[in-house]
Amino acid sequence: DQQVKQNSPSLSVQEGRISILNCDYTNSMFDYFLWYKKYPAEGPTFLISISSIKDKNEDGRFTVFLNKSAKHLSLHIVPSQPGDSAVYFCAASGGDAGGTSYGKLTFGQGTILTVHP
Amino acid sequence: DSGVTQTPKHLITATGQRVTLRCSPRSGDLSVYWYQQSLDQGLQFLIQYYNGEERAKGNILERFSAQQFPDLHSELNLSSLELGDSALYFCASSATGSGYTFGSGTRLTVV
Repeated sequence: DQQVKQNSPSLSVQEGRISILNCDYTNSMFDYFLWYKKYPAEGPTFLISISSIKDKNEDGRFTVFLNKSAKHLSLHIVPSQPGDSAVYFCAASGGDAGGTSYGKLTFGQGTILTVHP
Repeated sequence: DSGVTQTPKHLITATGQRVTLRCSPRSGDLSVYWYQQSLDQGLQFLIQYYNGEERAKGNILERFSAQQFPDLHSELNLSSLELGDSALYFCASSATGSGYTFGSGTRLTVV
């Protein structure tokens, strides 16, 4: 049962344009959502997060939007840079006995973002 | 360097064997998490330890076990290995109220 889904395995964009990565979830008990970036041969690194009490969080070029009614979140990167090329994972927490915002994370399958110069 | 150290980085072993993966968390972090990433899959939660005690368990096979020692480092033991156990195994650590920091992973290849 895939509770967090990233339906686009890959995304290709031009440098300077907007990158939009999407994520859907099914568990309505999730209350905290995170995006991680992963380069080859490295572990995932935290990018940005959002609590379920918000619908938007912004950090520099990165903005995460949460639509709770649709159980959908998206990550916007503006402007995209070649160094942003990586695998992006959406993750969610809550909805289990762990209960804390930083307990067990449920990850999506990842989206490979390629930003062309 | 994320501060979370995983060893070894690569491991090749035969089916039926047993291996131990090691994780040293970031200084001061009491929680350690283990995740498995198989080909084309997201990271699957295996198990969490907090200050030496098991805190949460995910889809961890009975052939797998883990522990966290008094110095807070953790080991993930994988036994009776099968070809399907080939994957990247990530460790992450966190302090109470803060986010995860992942290590760079151990790539296990079972042949």
